[in-house]
Amino acid sequence: DIQMTQSPSSVSASVGDRVTITCRASQGISSWLAWYQQKPGKAPKLLIYGASTLQSGVPSRFSGSESGTDFTLTISSLQPEDFATYYCQQANSFPITFGQGTRLEIK
Amino acid sequence: EVQLWESGGGLIQPGGSLRLSCAASGFTFSPYAMSWVRQAPGKGLEWVSSISGTGGSTYYADSVKGRFTISRDNSQNTLYLQVNSLRADDTAVYYCARGGVVVRRFDYWGQGTLVTVSS
Repeated sequence: DIQMTQSPSSVSASVGDRVTITCRASQGISSWLAWYQQKPGKAPKLLIYGASTLQSGVPSRFSGSESGTDFTLTISSLQPEDFATYYCQQANSFPITFGQGTRLEIK
Repeated sequence: EVQLWESGGGLIQPGGSLRLSCAASGFTFSPYAMSWVRQAPGKGLEWVSSISGTGGSTYYADSVKGRFTISRDNSQNTLYLQVNSLRADDTAVYYCARGGVVVRRFDYWGQGTLVTVSS
């Protein structure tokens, strides 16, 4: 199985900050990586797929990049509605696996 | 508007069975693969199972293989998950999501249905 390791597990930041979350795959997954945002009590929401393609309707302050087996989600200028938990997910092969999540909290 | 609505969760004793349903609307159901993803209380997301648009291909996490069965009725635009031999560690919110076979990303999710396994 492909293991997805996210870091950090939690981060505190302020409105307007730039935040980066990293996800490392245990083996090559090409660009088969998606990012989700989840708010408490709500279903996850797809933000990015193909490592860097923004899902329709997602603000442009969200972006994704990749370098080998390392993937990055960047929020360029945090907004109040961005405080949530973020998950990466490898879409390369079964079993589909998620990272353990990164909780983004208000400083 | 794409909508997915899960039902069928509840409190069940260890060893028991349930059938979860997911009613889909707002899109043409049959071409799309569908999946179940669960989340234990306070924990992360865990993929459970996926099924192709025709229902001819199914995939399962090792943790549920042999106990859970995914199926769909394209005439009713409904996805199912039959869950048998339930254990305490199956306690979770179960989400249905669109996608998961050829395109292994989930672009729409339901609101989830809670399954609690406890005596």
